[in-house]
Amino acid sequence: QSVLTQPPSASGTPGQRVTISCSGSSSNIGSNTVNWYQQLPGTAPKLLIYSNNQRPSGVPDRFSGSKSGTSASLAISGLQSEDEADYYCAAWDDSLNGDYVFGTGTKVTVL
Amino acid sequence: QVTLKESGPVLVKPTETLTLTCTVSGFSLSNARMGVSWIRQPPGKALEWLAHIFSNDEKSYSTSLKSRLTISKDTSKSQVVLTMTNMDPVDTATYYCARIRMTTVTTYWFDPWGQGTLVTVSS
Repeated sequence: QSVLTQPPSASGTPGQRVTISCSGSSSNIGSNTVNWYQQLPGTAPKLLIYSNNQRPSGVPDRFSGSKSGTSASLAISGLQSEDEADYYCAAWDDSLNGDYVFGTGTKVTVL
Repeated sequence: QVTLKESGPVLVKPTETLTLTCTVSGFSLSNARMGVSWIRQPPGKALEWLAHIFSNDEKSYSTSLKSRLTISKDTSKSQVVLTMTNMDPVDTATYYCARIRMTTVTTYWFDPWGQGTLVTVSS
């Protein structure tokens, strides 16, 4: 029941730049901040970006986030093999009673 | 160091009630601008938010699951409990708890997450 739409997959060679989109609506991305989570294979998700473009301490600066209107993007520059993972966007949704909604997820493959 | 750990049954039968406990360390459940959320992930599928509870005891539930969920906390035990009634095989998933960091009630993020616990619903 994800209401935020992401491409199912993205790929790149080491060193390349990869961008993942996250499309929402006025009730979620359009009016609230976006967070991004990275889930390495077989592990729990980890916070990657919060409040649209803020990196927690310890997250490499090759990860960056942005938001415009009802869409958001995560960019990975200088792609590395350890970046192979699933990535999820997320935001609060103001519709109905309010829900925290996740994206459909994007699998990033390093070729 | 902040850690969260989920505990509960690995197998439940259809129609039963699931009770999961999240035990936290490294922070207090009474800390301002913090809370705990439950999130689940069916095998091979996306993440789904279930509920949250803030330090002031404010609670919120997934609209689609609201009638089946109850979240509560025991600050003295550093535990947050989630109950889900009338379990069904489609509820089979890894259930995570995560600490909430927030600036407003709708501007928050999860950091860190617990390791998760796989719950299978089957007769």
